[in-house]
Amino acid sequence: DGGITQSPKYLFRKEGQNVTLSCEQNLNHDAMYWYRQDPGQGLRLIYYSQIVNDFQKGDIAEGYSVSREKKESFPLTVTSAQKNPTAFYLCASSIGGTQYFGPGTRLLVL
Amino acid sequence: GQQVMQIPQYQHVQEGEDFTTYCNSSTTLSNIQWYKQRPGGHPVFLIQLVKSGEVKKQKRLTFQFGEAKKNSSLHITATQTTDVGTYFCAGTAGTYKYIFGTGTRLKVLA
Repeated sequence: DGGITQSPKYLFRKEGQNVTLSCEQNLNHDAMYWYRQDPGQGLRLIYYSQIVNDFQKGDIAEGYSVSREKKESFPLTVTSAQKNPTAFYLCASSIGGTQYFGPGTRLLVL
Repeated sequence: GQQVMQIPQYQHVQEGEDFTTYCNSSTTLSNIQWYKQRPGGHPVFLIQLVKSGEVKKQKRLTFQFGEAKKNSSLHITATQTTDVGTYFCAGTAGTYKYIFGTGTRLKVLA
């Protein structure tokens, strides 16, 4: 069954803690993306990767980090430097420009 | 930097009425995409427009790409309750980086 999976569905972060959101795809797509969505808002690009071992900052990369060691995986770390991390995080992969989104992770701060 | 604006932000219609959302980019786009996000869900790809002046139809949905490739519209004829959700446009100037519009949230009253 092909697709994009994100885990966990809900994640709670304590003050000063780094947390990592998982994103895996078995669609054999080269490009992968991370977006942040705040309530009632659009999608803002955090990071994107066109190919393994390469990634670029999006519009709101501060306080986040990524890695792309495998084609299938593009994990996002929300660091303690991100002071307002509560949001819905969406991962996507792309071929021919069409983006396929995972189900998302809701991050909440305790 | 590139910006993509959508209007209106919200639209409430009676079932059976038509609906249109407009997307405007600050820069010329190489292509534009439309996505639908149901409440609590993730964006789902609807269509991609590439050519200047292009018009595409999907059943009750009509998509247009402006002659200058800086604006686009989505028109839904005779809305149904299943059309409820937020509609986003996303444009690129020719790179892997897509900028999403602010979205139009559609509510359909039965």
